[in-house]
Amino acid sequence: EDQVTQSPEALRLQEGESSSLNCSYTVSGLRGLFWYRQDPGKGPEFLFTLYSAGEEKEKERLKATLTKKESFLHITAPKPEDSATYLCAVPDRGSTLGRLYFGRGTQLTVWP
Amino acid sequence: DSGVTQTPKHLITATGQRVTLRCSPRSGDLSVYWYQQSLDQGLQFLIQYYNGEERAKGNILERFSAQQFPDLHSELNLSSLELGDSALYFCASSGGQGNIQYFGAGTRLSVL
Repeated sequence: EDQVTQSPEALRLQEGESSSLNCSYTVSGLRGLFWYRQDPGKGPEFLFTLYSAGEEKEKERLKATLTKKESFLHITAPKPEDSATYLCAVPDRGSTLGRLYFGRGTQLTVWP
Repeated sequence: DSGVTQTPKHLITATGQRVTLRCSPRSGDLSVYWYQQSLDQGLQFLIQYYNGEERAKGNILERFSAQQFPDLHSELNLSSLELGDSALYFCASSGGQGNIQYFGAGTRLSVL
């Protein structure tokens, strides 16, 4: 059951080169979509939650948006310290406070 | 710092052995989740506890078990270890606010 699909798997950007990461989901009755950042060998770090189509959230150079079928994480003028794996996740529709289904992530590398 | 504490950080053991991973959730969080992350599988949900009670189970092997104690800390027990159990094991906790799960730094298990 592929609930969450992320693309691309890997992305290399030059510092300052803006781009977007995609997360598409198949679960109906969405109870939120989560974005996390994960550095190598560390735990996922929470970034954003989006609940309804049209919603947008921003944090520094990152902006997350949500439609009915997918979410985008836009990275504006990235810096090398933005290099990480970005994960999106959706909760199990059958329960509250339940498990998260994670995508495989997009590994972002920003070079100077 | 997410506020979720996992010990030990690294564990090296042999096939057939049994290990215990420990997790202390953020102060006040009643839900604890365990996830396994391997290179080929990504982040996979194992099990969830809520206030001492098992709430949800993922594809957790019968060799694996968990519990949550009255002080809300949780332990994941892995027995009859196999080479394929080598992975990062993460604990997350949530307190109900939008089901945001905060992750610990993980335990890296190496089975030799």
